[in-house]
Amino acid sequence: QLQLQESGPGLVKPSETLSLTCAVSGGSMSSGRYYWGWIRQPPGKGLEWMGSLYHSGTTYDNPSLKSRVTISGDMSKNEVSLKITSVTAADTAIYYCARHGGYSSAFDIWGRGTLVLVSS
Amino acid sequence: DIQLTQSPPTLSASVGERVTITCRASQSINTYLNWYQQKPGKAPNLLIYGASNLQSGVPSRFSASGSGTDFTLTISSLQPEDFATYYCQQSYGDPLFGGGTKVEIK
Repeated sequence: QLQLQESGPGLVKPSETLSLTCAVSGGSMSSGRYYWGWIRQPPGKGLEWMGSLYHSGTTYDNPSLKSRVTISGDMSKNEVSLKITSVTAADTAIYYCARHGGYSSAFDIWGRGTLVLVSS
Repeated sequence: DIQLTQSPPTLSASVGERVTITCRASQSINTYLNWYQQKPGKAPNLLIYGASNLQSGVPSRFSASGSGTDFTLTISSLQPEDFATYYCQQSYGDPLFGGGTKVEIK
């Protein structure tokens, strides 16, 4: 059974870079037609897609994040990573990784999420 | 850019009631519309994909319909475990989620 597990620092200072990792277990990221996405949710608010990675290495980013976001993957480790530069309090959120079966498909498997607080 | 508008933002209902949530897109998205349920402290869970297809393992009291710009999610008989927040999501263009509908106990 495929499982996704996010990990990260928990607390990041304003203006620093946030780095998160999603470990995929129970299957290979590089097999099939799957995309691996990052979605975040500020406390008490809705869901925002940040970007996705295809196993070929092609990435798709949310234009509203103005190039602060980098998504990458390490297929040998079965991991997908998210980096956000110049973080502010507005980046405080639960960050989820999720699989979608194609770029135009639903997110069918989600990790439990990891909470990141941006504060000095 | 495609916009998604969910209504109502909050819905109060009793166990056994029939509940309907709507999602409207600012332009046609064919049937590229998905529905999720999220309970407090948990990740979203896929209920419906492709506007009307029930995800494996989801109870049959959940159904959905629509195409183009107007979509609905219906719970035929609300159960205690269905009190949650529901999100629509379009996958026609860059993934985008609606604002959510919180289903509360009346």
